[in-house]
Amino acid sequence: GAVVSQHPSWVICKSGTSVKIECRSLDFQATTMFWYRQFPKQSLMLMATSNEGSKATYEQGVEKDKFLINHASLTLSTLTVTSAHPEDSSFYICSARGDGVREQFFGPGTRLTVL
Amino acid sequence: GEDVEQSLFLSVREGDSSVINCTYTDSSSTYLYWYKQEPGAGLQLLTYIFSNMDMKQDQRLTVLLNKKDKHLSLRIADTQTGDSAIYFCASGSSGNTGKLIFGQGTTLQVKP
Repeated sequence: GAVVSQHPSWVICKSGTSVKIECRSLDFQATTMFWYRQFPKQSLMLMATSNEGSKATYEQGVEKDKFLINHASLTLSTLTVTSAHPEDSSFYICSARGDGVREQFFGPGTRLTVL
Repeated sequence: GEDVEQSLFLSVREGDSSVINCTYTDSSSTYLYWYKQEPGAGLQLLTYIFSNMDMKQDQRLTVLLNKKDKHLSLRIADTQTGDSAIYFCASGSSGNTGKLIFGQGTTLQVKP
């Protein structure tokens, strides 16, 4: 199956700093990428949907100025957590799908810990 | 809004069958998915079923769909210790957004 990678796999940062997480589709062109957040022992909550070359669509309750998403190419989307605070600590997972394809392929996730 | 519900925990002995249940509310759900998540990892698609199907079998996995009751189940035959993981049910609509609604996940514990 198609492979999606995320970098970094884990990151620890100080409160107030910004953190960028990358999501890459390694062997296919991802016209759409999704960003999810997962709290411990809870489900995945969709944060936003990004289509290559256009602005991301954020889910209700997700602050677009806090979680900046850029999908500048067909193989890369980035999520930047700006001015991170301890409550932003979570597991962030991206998924990607190709044009005309229903299946989403998930990345391995990035664990963010904000001190 | 749309909702997907799962039981949180299931424990079985190795070699037994496991049945994980899921209910959903969105009647426009076209595809229903089962994902597996191992500790600290992303999600792996196990199988999916189209809403006009009642059953789908793929090796040790059997998916049953009762569309009238909006009930989905995943049966794992001959459960192995390597099947221990969290299993997520997700519903997707026929639209092109690709948006998935996930359940809370069922933790499957397989005892040797």
